[in-house]
Amino acid sequence: EAQVTQNPRYLITVTGKKLTVTCSQNMNHEYMSWYRQDPGLGLRQIYYSMNVEVTDKGDVPEGYKVSRKEKRNFPLILESPSPNQTSLYFCASSGSGAITDTQYFGPGTRLTVL
Amino acid sequence: AQSVTQPDIHITVSEGASLELRCNYSYGATPYLFWYVQSPGQGLQLLLKYFSGDTLVQGIKGFEAEFKRSQSSFNLRKPSVHWSDAAEYFCAVGAESSYKLIFGSGTRLLVRP
Repeated sequence: EAQVTQNPRYLITVTGKKLTVTCSQNMNHEYMSWYRQDPGLGLRQIYYSMNVEVTDKGDVPEGYKVSRKEKRNFPLILESPSPNQTSLYFCASSGSGAITDTQYFGPGTRLTVL
Repeated sequence: AQSVTQPDIHITVSEGASLELRCNYSYGATPYLFWYVQSPGQGLQLLLKYFSGDTLVQGIKGFEAEFKRSQSSFNLRKPSVHWSDAAEYFCAVGAESSYKLIFGSGTRLLVRP
């Protein structure tokens, strides 16, 4: 089944403790992206990647890192999480990244930073 | 700058009633417009999209949307709502030269039995 998977689905952590949220897709997509969803703000893009080893900032990249060493994986790294990073995070992928390509979303990761 | 406004935070309709969710966008050129649905505990699923051509587009699950350039709107409609349609709905806009979607803040749909 074609899908985007994220792990973990739920995570509670404390300020300053490094964490990684994994994202994997099995559709051989070139483009992958991370969004955060906050009440009243919709989804905002954090980082995106057009291909392996190619990443770029979205609208809200501060406090986040990403890497794209393999085509299928695009982990989101929070080196020193803070409470304002408490949010619902979505990973998405699409074929080439063209705006006409359908983006497929993962199920989301709910992160709470205490 | 591109932006999307969904003026209704919550909408409640009775099962079987018709539905219209509003979306207004701000963009200088012809926009690429999308509606996504997010069911509880799920990721976002594409309902429909508009790039060009016929301004009335059909999507999955019986939804349709109409692009009105003069009103900068792309409202989502369904003639008869089912209880399973209860979810959050997001309108989004993109540009041909961009790889990014700009999302609205979402409208939560509640369905009364």
